Amino acid sequence: EDQVTQSPEALRLQEGESSSLNCSYTVSGLRGLFWYRQDPGKGPEFLFTLYSAGEEKEKERLKATLTKKESFLHITAPKPEDSATYLCAVQSGYALNFGKGTSLLVTP
Amino acid sequence: NAGVMQNPRHLVRRRGQEARLRCSPMKGHSHVYWYRQLPEEGLKFMVYLQKENIIDESGMPKERFSAEFPKEGPSILRIQQVVRGDSAAYFCASSPPLTGELFFGEGSRLTVL
Repeated sequence: EDQVTQSPEALRLQEGESSSLNCSYTVSGLRGLFWYRQDPGKGPEFLFTLYSAGEEKEKERLKATLTKKESFLHITAPKPEDSATYLCAVQSGYALNFGKGTSLLVTP
Repeated sequence: NAGVMQNPRHLVRRRGQEARLRCSPMKGHSHVYWYRQLPEEGLKFMVYLQKENIIDESGMPKERFSAEFPKEGPSILRIQQVVRGDSAAYFCASSPPLTGELFFGEGSRLTVL
C-alpha cells in the first residue's frame, strides 16, 4: 500500500532561520509527488509537483527536491507569513494520497 | 477565473438528519474529488467523479454516503442519517484532464450535534 510519512509533525522557527521539511514515501511507480500549503480554516493550496529523482522546483523562499525515497521542502529565510501546515502527497491510483503534514510556525 | 466553490461553508446537523454538500469545479475542469479531513488526521480520499460517472469510490464508507456529479449543476456529497463521527471538514477538489494536480475549495465543515 502506498504510504506517505512527513516529519517533523511540528516545527517552530525564528524569522530568517532556514530549515527543511521531510516527506518519505513508498509507492509502486511514482507518478508525481505533490506539495501543498494549508492555512487554518482553508483548503490546501498547490505549491509544486515533482516527477523524477533529482528534480527541483522553486517558488520564492521554498524549494522542493526529490529522491527515490523522499522529498524535502527547503525553506530559506522564512517569514511569519510562511506559517502554515505543509502537506505532501503522492499520486495513488486516481487520487492523491496525503501525509499528515508538518505544522510550521515562524516567529518574528 | 473563479476557483473551486463549495457550499455551505459550515453546516450543523442533528444525529439522524441528512447533510448535502455541494461543489462547483473550476471552469474547464471536468474531474471532481471529495476528501475528508478529521482533526489530527490527514486528508483522506473519498471519491473521484467525472460528469455523470463515478470513477473511483474506494474511499467512501459503504453505507450512508453517496456522491454524484450530474451533467448540469454541481457535484453533491450526500450523507444520510449523520452520526457524530461524521463531523469533519469535507474538501472538494477539481483537476483538468491528464494531470494529477488538484485544486481545492475552501471546504465544508460539518458539525453533528
